[in-house]
Amino acid sequence: IAGITQAPTSQILAAGRRMTLRCTQDMRHNAMYWYRQDLGLGLRLIHYSNTAGTTGKGEVPDGYSVSRANTDDFPLTLASAVPSQTSVYFCASSQGPLTGELFFGEGSRLTVL
Amino acid sequence: AQKITQTQPGMFVQEKEAVTLDCTYDTSDPSYGLFWYKQPSSGEMIFLIYQGSYDQQNATEGRYSLNFQKARKSANLVISASQLGDSAMYFCAMREGVGGSYIPTFGRGTSLIVHP
Repeated sequence: IAGITQAPTSQILAAGRRMTLRCTQDMRHNAMYWYRQDLGLGLRLIHYSNTAGTTGKGEVPDGYSVSRANTDDFPLTLASAVPSQTSVYFCASSQGPLTGELFFGEGSRLTVL
Repeated sequence: AQKITQTQPGMFVQEKEAVTLDCTYDTSDPSYGLFWYKQPSSGEMIFLIYQGSYDQQNATEGRYSLNFQKARKSANLVISASQLGDSAMYFCAMREGVGGSYIPTFGRGTSLIVHP
């Protein structure tokens, strides 16, 4: 089934540990995004990539890094997790930076203790 | 300042009635797109409807329509003939070209509850 796959779906992590959330899409979309969703705050953009090889910072990039080595994969890394990074993380993609709706993954629920 | 404002944290509607969810936006970019997404309790994000800034007609998709008032910078979602399955969070979003970045920005959402 075409779409976006995120892994893991859920994870409990000790503070200070490194964590990578994986995101893979098979739609050959150029643009990809990482959002975090927190109650009452909606979805806030962490990082984005308009095309393979390029990335940019969103609204809340601190403590996170991304890479876009190819079209399909867009991993999000927390170098040293802190409790404030407890959230639900959504990966999304669109055909182009200004074309098409965003397709979302199922989300990854991360708890940092 | 928020790019997308959804002023209704929660809304209630009777089944089979119509409901309007408000969304206002802020941009100086002449080219932008507006989206609505539904998030049921299961958590997935479901695309509902899209309106481009240059579109002359209001977008419609089945029971969903977007009341686009460009001068007022509003893009309200109208759901006709509400169903129990419409109970969910609804997010308004905008994609604009900010220095070429085309970042999609979401509002904080409106929780809709449909009563039988």
